[in-house]
Amino acid sequence: DAGITQSPRHKVTETGTPVTLRCHQTENHRYMYWYRQDPGHGLRLIHYSYGVKDTDKGEVSDGYSVSRSKTEDFLLTLESATSSQTSVYFCATHTSGESYEQYFGPGTRLTVT
Amino acid sequence: DQQVKQNSPSLSVQEGRISILNCDYTNSMFDYFLWYKKYPAEGPTFLISISSIKDKNEDGRFTVFLNKSAKHLSLHIVPSQPGDSAVYFCAASAEGTYKYIFGTGTRLKVLA
Repeated sequence: DAGITQSPRHKVTETGTPVTLRCHQTENHRYMYWYRQDPGHGLRLIHYSYGVKDTDKGEVSDGYSVSRSKTEDFLLTLESATSSQTSVYFCATHTSGESYEQYFGPGTRLTVT
Repeated sequence: DQQVKQNSPSLSVQEGRISILNCDYTNSMFDYFLWYKKYPAEGPTFLISISSIKDKNEDGRFTVFLNKSAKHLSLHIVPSQPGDSAVYFCAASAEGTYKYIFGTGTRLKVLA
C-alpha cells in the first residue's frame, strides 16, 4: 500500500464543464500515472509523470491534461468534459528500481451528463 | 492496436480446481510482465510478475508462465478459492520505459 488517495471519489458533471481529479501519494514515489477503466477496454494509460514537472502522454491522452508541481500530487484535468469521458479513473504510482510493481488508488467514478 | 490481449472475458472454475488465465502480446520489446487482481469498487492490486529472462515464477498458489517465442503468458491458480473471484489484468512493460500496457481483463468466478 503506497498511501494513494484520490479525490473526489465520485463526481457527476455536465458536458462542457472543466473537471480536475487529484491523486495524492505519501510514499515519495517518482512515477505517477492516470488510467481510465472502461468495459471492453481494460485499463488504458492517459498520462504519466516521471518527476516533478515531467509528464508524457499515454494511449488515450486527447482531451486530458496533467500537472505535477509536487512529488506527492498528480492532477488530471478535463478541460471541457464530454460524455465519452464518463469512466472510472485510477491513479497509480511506481518507485524506480528493480521492481516494476505499481500501486493503485481506489479510483474516481466520473459521470458526464 | 491492442498490444496486450486477454481473449477470454470470463472464466468459471470449481473451487479446488486449477484456474488458467491467458494473455498474449505483440510487442517484442516488452520484457516485464505483471498480473493484477481487481475487486469491484477497488483499485487493482499487484499479484505476481515475471521478467523475460525467466519462463516461470511461482508465489504460493500463483504461478506465471512465459513463452517468449509464442508471445504468450499464463497465470495458474492452484487450488482456486472463492476469494479468487475477481477481474485479472495482465500488463507489460519495455525495459526502462516505466510505461505499462494492460490487457482488457478476465473475470474469474470460482464456484463453491
